[in-house]
Amino acid sequence: KAGVTQTPRYLIKTRGQQVTLSCSPISGHRSVSWYQQTPGQGLQFLFEYFSETQRNKGNFPGRFSGRQFSNSRSEMNVSTLELGDSALYLCASSLAGQAGANVLTFGAGSRLTVL
Amino acid sequence: DQQVKQNSPSLSVQEGRISILNCDYTNSMFDYFLWYKKYPAEGPTFLISISSIKDKNEDGRFTVFLNKSAKHLSLHIVPSQPGDSAVYFCAASGMGGGADGLTFGKGTHLIIQP
Repeated sequence: KAGVTQTPRYLIKTRGQQVTLSCSPISGHRSVSWYQQTPGQGLQFLFEYFSETQRNKGNFPGRFSGRQFSNSRSEMNVSTLELGDSALYLCASSLAGQAGANVLTFGAGSRLTVL
Repeated sequence: DQQVKQNSPSLSVQEGRISILNCDYTNSMFDYFLWYKKYPAEGPTFLISISSIKDKNEDGRFTVFLNKSAKHLSLHIVPSQPGDSAVYFCAASGMGGGADGLTFGKGTHLIIQP
């Protein structure tokens, strides 16, 4: 059973640019969540999608957005990149999306560096 | 305001001994707790969880203890092995309908010394 796949694994952008990251969940998993990991803040919840609808959103500015497609694949976009957006972006999938009842399976992440 | 706190950024333990990783939380609405383990260049992997109706859950070498009155949980690894060297994240959630998103601590880097 294939795991959660994130692309690209590494990317470098400059300030002001925008970036799109992709996530393919485990087959059959309908919930996809995104997290940002930085050395100072640990893992912080960005948003969660279930059946193409954003069900929950963390405390991030509107520059961070996402979407989910009918096949459960998800993308997240960050516009007008800032240096502080440099981080590891992790995608996680689960069967039904209730974090307590369903364990999240994480991908290896997309490492974004903003110069 | 950190709702889940792991106050030890790192911990060094000798192989074969017990590793104890601690986690404190402030939000009394949390009722499900998880531990994840992360190796460099990989995503976190689920290790063990506990619901608030229990005070202990065991899985092989890993045991999680929950003290609700103190809002404290701990992960015990016995015996510690070199492959246990990793960053361990404590996470918490409420079980209300829909995903609230997990709230993670900042992690504890466990180093197992041979």
